[in-house]
Amino acid sequence: DAGVIQSPRHEVTEMGQEVTLRCKPISGHNSLFWYRQTMMRGLELLIYFNNNVPIDDSGMPEDRFSAKMPNASFSTLKIQPSEPRDSAVYFCASGHSSGNTIYFGEGSWLTVV
Amino acid sequence: EDKVVQSPLSLVVHEGDTVTLNCSYEVTNFRSLLWYKQEKKAPTFLFMLTSSGIEKKSGRLSSILDKKELFSILNITATQTGDSAVYLCAYSNYGGSQGNLIFGKGTKLSVKP
Repeated sequence: DAGVIQSPRHEVTEMGQEVTLRCKPISGHNSLFWYRQTMMRGLELLIYFNNNVPIDDSGMPEDRFSAKMPNASFSTLKIQPSEPRDSAVYFCASGHSSGNTIYFGEGSWLTVV
Repeated sequence: EDKVVQSPLSLVVHEGDTVTLNCSYEVTNFRSLLWYKQEKKAPTFLFMLTSSGIEKKSGRLSSILDKKELFSILNITATQTGDSAVYLCAYSNYGGSQGNLIFGKGTKLSVKP
């Protein structure tokens, strides 16, 4: 079974550029989560969707961040404009809204210089 | 404010030792507590605990929850170098998706040969 698929795996970009991270959840899962992980703050939930609808985006740091889920098999997290403090690993995860756990992708490692 | 605190932050042991990792939480409308293992990439699921006093076991790993005292422990017996990882504790609460997890900062375990 294919797990959660994220792209790109690594990205290095200059400050001010737009960054788009992509996620394909596990087929059949109806919940999708975006997390950010840094050494200082650990894993933080940014936003999650149920049935393609954003339920809680209170973790999104500021207006430079936006996320969409146009269909059940695809989501994007966009940062515009990017800043060095956005450097982190961004994980996408999916699960069943009534299930026991969520499954993580391998992360997108973002460096903003 | 809901939160989860893990201790110790890091731990170095030798192969064969037994370790106990701690997770305490303060959360309203608690639903479940989960343990994840993170090596170099994505967190992988270990256990989900919902009831007090019922031990979950998987090989050399076991975990238990105390809902009265609001903590959980993860035990690893006869540690091996392959157990070296960051162990993450997370909770979910009612009012959100089962997979809407809030993570602690983790315990970094290093097992020396």
